[in-house]
Amino acid sequence: QSVLTQPPSVSGAPGQRVTISCTGSSSNIGAGYDVHWYQQLPGTAPKLLIYGNSNRPSGVPDRFSGSKSGTSASLAISGLQAEDEADYYCQSYDSSLSGSVFGGGTKLTVL
Amino acid sequence: QVQLVQSGSELRKPGASVKVSCRASGYTFTSYPMNWVRQAPGQGLEWMGWINTYTGNPTYAQGFTGRFVFSLDTSVSTAYLQISSLKAEDTAVYYCTRVGSGSKWYFDLWGRGTLVTVSS
Repeated sequence: QSVLTQPPSVSGAPGQRVTISCTGSSSNIGAGYDVHWYQQLPGTAPKLLIYGNSNRPSGVPDRFSGSKSGTSASLAISGLQAEDEADYYCQSYDSSLSGSVFGGGTKLTVL
Repeated sequence: QVQLVQSGSELRKPGASVKVSCRASGYTFTSYPMNWVRQAPGQGLEWMGWINTYTGNPTYAQGFTGRFVFSLDTSVSTAYLQISSLKAEDTAVYYCTRVGSGSKWYFDLWGRGTLVTVSS
């Protein structure tokens, strides 16, 4: 069971907007630690998608956006495309564990 | 080119050991901490810990103490993960990943992963 909780799956039609939640606690997200997001396409290594809650690395389309509030964070993907079908993971720091933690991952299906 | 190049897939019997390498290129190796992440078949990402590439000091996550050892050879910009007394449940893809920013601790560069299969 992951310290950060994500829905196992989400889906949407091409062009639609979907959001993926990441719920933590007072020892991680709620303590003010940043949340980062990764995209893992089938059979490949994870790729940094969002860092520092809402910042996009160079090359990541602005269709991807992140936000954080209280003990939760969200990843939003607008204008869904078939190529967005992947697993998405949130990551933060946990003071109780004294280390990084990942969410369990969310599989995005583009219908 | 900034990249992390990992060693190839490994097949080991239970009780054996394995050493995975991660060679960095295109940046100053000792300026960025290196982390290790495990992904069991069909499962999510699990943070194993990190090694300070400047001092060589390792930090292990809960559940990764004892049989897991992080090490470096800074002369060839390479980090290593050694796992001893292998068990079937160690079967996984192991990724090395660089911390992109010391203050925010996100992983901006990933190796392609090394599949370790433990089977008799």
